[in-house]
Amino acid sequence: EVQLVESGGGVVRPGGSLRLSCAASGFTFDDYGMSWVRQAPGKGLEWVSGIHWNDGSAGYADSVKGRFTISRDNAKNSLYLQMNSLRAEDTALYHCARWGAKRGWSGVDYWGQGTLVTVSS
Amino acid sequence: DIQMTQSPSTLSASVGDRVTITCRASQSVSVSLAWYQQKPGKAPKFLIYKASSLESGVPSRFSGSGSGTEFTLAISSLQPDDFATYYCQQYNTYPWTFGQGTKVEIK
Repeated sequence: EVQLVESGGGVVRPGGSLRLSCAASGFTFDDYGMSWVRQAPGKGLEWVSGIHWNDGSAGYADSVKGRFTISRDNAKNSLYLQMNSLRAEDTALYHCARWGAKRGWSGVDYWGQGTLVTVSS
Repeated sequence: DIQMTQSPSTLSASVGDRVTITCRASQSVSVSLAWYQQKPGKAPKFLIYKASSLESGVPSRFSGSGSGTEFTLAISSLQPDDFATYYCQQYNTYPWTFGQGTKVEIK
């Protein structure tokens, strides 16, 4: 059974940093690209970042480019999101998500339940 | 960035109705288009990939079509479990982008 379990969320002041983690299990982690997707309270889905299954190449939403860094450790079956210079508008539930195609590009077929990030003074 | 625009934003329908949701891209995404269903308090559910391929386990009343810049999600006969918010997403070009969502409500 595929499982994605996020951790690392919390309350942080504007300008602060957080590192989110996602522990993956139930599949061969280095066969799949991964993404972070967030959802602010009462709002729609926003794709944040994605990373290739093994070459480390990544993409970012314009709203987070230069502030957030996605990474993965295939030996630990883990995905990360380093978030710096946090702003109030980064407040959201952050989901770890698996691309739906083995060694290919696709939409997201599995989602974690999310970790809540609140940026507030 | 590629903008994804869904219409309508809200749709009121009855059980048994056929409903369609449109998703337009600001530039071609080929067939790199996915559809999701989300219910309150839950993670999204993957419905369709590659514009028209049904994800395993998704009921056949759901179908997707389109290519390039215009796409459609259709539900052939709306069931009580289908009242939810639906999102399209392009994965052709970074940054990937979602539509703003379409809420399907009970009429």
